[in-house]
Amino acid sequence: GQNIDQPTEMTATEGAIVQINCTYQTSGFNGLFWYQQHAGEAPTFLSYNVLDGLEEKGRFSSFLSRSKGYSYLLLKELQMKDSASYLCAVKDSNYQLIWGAGTKLIIKP
Amino acid sequence: ETGVTQTPRHLVMGMTNKKSLKCEQHLGHNAMYWYKQSAKKPLELMFVYSLEERVENNSVPSRFSPECPNSSHLFLHLHTLQPEDSALYLCASSQDVGQESSPLHFGNGTRLTVT
Repeated sequence: GQNIDQPTEMTATEGAIVQINCTYQTSGFNGLFWYQQHAGEAPTFLSYNVLDGLEEKGRFSSFLSRSKGYSYLLLKELQMKDSASYLCAVKDSNYQLIWGAGTKLIIKP
Repeated sequence: ETGVTQTPRHLVMGMTNKKSLKCEQHLGHNAMYWYKQSAKKPLELMFVYSLEERVENNSVPSRFSPECPNSSHLFLHLHTLQPEDSALYLCASSQDVGQESSPLHFGNGTRLTVT
């Protein structure tokens, strides 16, 4: 079966750095997405990786290793507003999105 | 106008009721989706429409009935639901189905409670 694993919950301190990991086992690979979802709101697109390496976008970076079936989302200079759930999703060979259950990130002052 | 708008935001219905969820997108996208989001579970794809034609139906019970009258509007008709159908129902759109890098744009969802 197809599977995406990410930690259920993480806690970090304001101003610090946090890394949220995502491992996947899918039938084929056509890209990996990260979304942010604040409580009671819509998931919003953060990043897309299809080639190995690091993609940087301001305070957020996303890394992909296709050979290891592994990605991480790196958040720097954490702010209270970064408290949210972070969803990892992979497009398989049929362009179906396979979703992880999400990581709830709690930021403490 | 936000990109994808869903109404209502909250809905409480009994098991014998009939109700409809509405979704509208203002992004000029060709594909629209219904997802179910339950606590601590991955998003479950329910239906996919491409240019108003249904292209995906993931073994969803018949008590859920989608309708896509045009590429900007999507409905989910609900009847004789069960308490386990209580969840957040998310509508999304994308430029096209199958484009690798095309992200989904989500609405804020309808929080459904079945009593």
